[in-house]
Amino acid sequence: NAGVMQNPRHLVRRRGQEARLRCSPVKGHSHVYWYRQLPEEGLKFMVYLQKENIIDESGMPKERFSAEFPKEGPSILRIQQVVRGDSAAYFCASSPGGLDYGYTFGSGTRLTVV
Amino acid sequence: KQEVTQIPAALSVPEGENLVLNCSFTDSAIYNLQWFRQDPGKGLTSLLLIQSSQREQTSGRLNASLDKSSGRSTLYIAASQPGDSATYLCAVIFRNQFYFGTGTSLTVIP
Repeated sequence: NAGVMQNPRHLVRRRGQEARLRCSPVKGHSHVYWYRQLPEEGLKFMVYLQKENIIDESGMPKERFSAEFPKEGPSILRIQQVVRGDSAAYFCASSPGGLDYGYTFGSGTRLTVV
Repeated sequence: KQEVTQIPAALSVPEGENLVLNCSFTDSAIYNLQWFRQDPGKGLTSLLLIQSSQREQTSGRLNASLDKSSGRSTLYIAASQPGDSATYLCAVIFRNQFYFGTGTSLTVIP
């Protein structure tokens, strides 16, 4: 029973490129949460998704960032036209029905923009 | 709005010392509180989870307490070891979201 799988573990992108971060939840979990950890800062909420729906994207930057969680396949966090300030660790967590029901964190994807 | 604060930001102690890490939160209507450990460049390792109805949890040399009414939690580490060196994060679940503190960076000197 694999936990939350995030890939890639490390991602290097040049300024202006696109970054795609994947999160495969625990089998049977239909809720996914994305968090960003900027250098020297705490983890901050970005977006909360259920299958095929965005429930709360209040923590997501308005431009260049998008997230999806399709009916089949992993959740994708997409960052277009990356800038150096996007360099951070991106973590996802999955849950079977909201955080009240328990949750599992992935090991994160470390994005470096050069 | 929920804010989580951790004090101190950094701590350096000699091996064998007992130590206390502090966490405070502004809104007491939390669902639970959790302490994590994060090693450099790594993910989150869950240490202790305290439900809102509980006062403390213990695991080995770790003891976490929760005083919900005052918005405080402490993580007590007994007989510290060099392997305890890491960043310790406090997080609360509030309105179906995690709110994290910025962490306490602990260094245990052999």
